[in-house]
Amino acid sequence: NAGVTQTPKFQVLKTGQSMTLQCAQDMNHEYMSWYRQDPGMGLRLIHYSVGAGITDQGEVPNGYNVSRSTTEDFPLRLLSAAPSQTSVYFCASIGGRGTEAFFGQGTRLTVV
Amino acid sequence: KNEVEQSPQNLTAQEGEFITINCSYSVGISALHWLQQHPGGGIVSLFMLSSGKKKHGRLIATINIQEKHSSLHITASHPRDSAVYICAVPRSGNQFYFGTGTSLTVIP
Repeated sequence: NAGVTQTPKFQVLKTGQSMTLQCAQDMNHEYMSWYRQDPGMGLRLIHYSVGAGITDQGEVPNGYNVSRSTTEDFPLRLLSAAPSQTSVYFCASIGGRGTEAFFGQGTRLTVV
Repeated sequence: KNEVEQSPQNLTAQEGEFITINCSYSVGISALHWLQQHPGGGIVSLFMLSSGKKKHGRLIATINIQEKHSSLHITASHPRDSAVYICAVPRSGNQFYFGTGTSLTVIP
C-alpha cells in the first residue's frame, strides 16, 4: 500500500496494558481515519481527523485516543486494553474528496 | 438498514469460472470503491468508479448511478483471486460507508 505505513503488523497484549498503533502517510492528505474490522461486522470507524490538530470520534471510539500533531502522522492509542479490543485495525488516508483511498497493512491485535 | 449492501456474502468458484459480486447503496455518491483484502493482508483499492465501466486485467467494475448499483466481475478466475472484496462509498468528512464484504474462494 504505497503511501501509508502502519505498524506493528501483529501485537499481543495483556488486559490492562496500553499501546500505540502508528500510522504515517506521505501523500499530504488532510483526512485520516482508524477502523477496526471484526468478523461479520465489516469496517467500523473508531476516530478520524480532517487535518493537523483536528480529530473527532467515529462509531466505536471508547477505549481509544488519537492525536494529529502533523499532517503525516495519526497514531491510535489503546489506554487500557480489553479482550473486546481484539480485532484487526486499519489506518486509512483519504484524498480527493473520497476518490483516493489508501489503507495501511493492518494490525492484528489480540488482547488476552 | 445498511447504506451499502453486498451479495453474496460468501462465494466459492472453480478455477476459470466467471465471477460477479454485487453492491447496492442507498446514498447519493460521487464515487464508489472496490477494495480487495487477501487473507491476513492489507486492504487495497482496486477501482474507483464514478460512472460506466473500468477494466484492469481480468477485473471489470461497472456502476449504474441511477439504479445505485455496482458490480465487480472477475473473468477466468484463479486461486490467487481468493480474497475478501469490499464495496465502499464516500460519505461526509471523507469517510466511507462499507459493505460487509464478499469472501471469495477459488478452488484449483
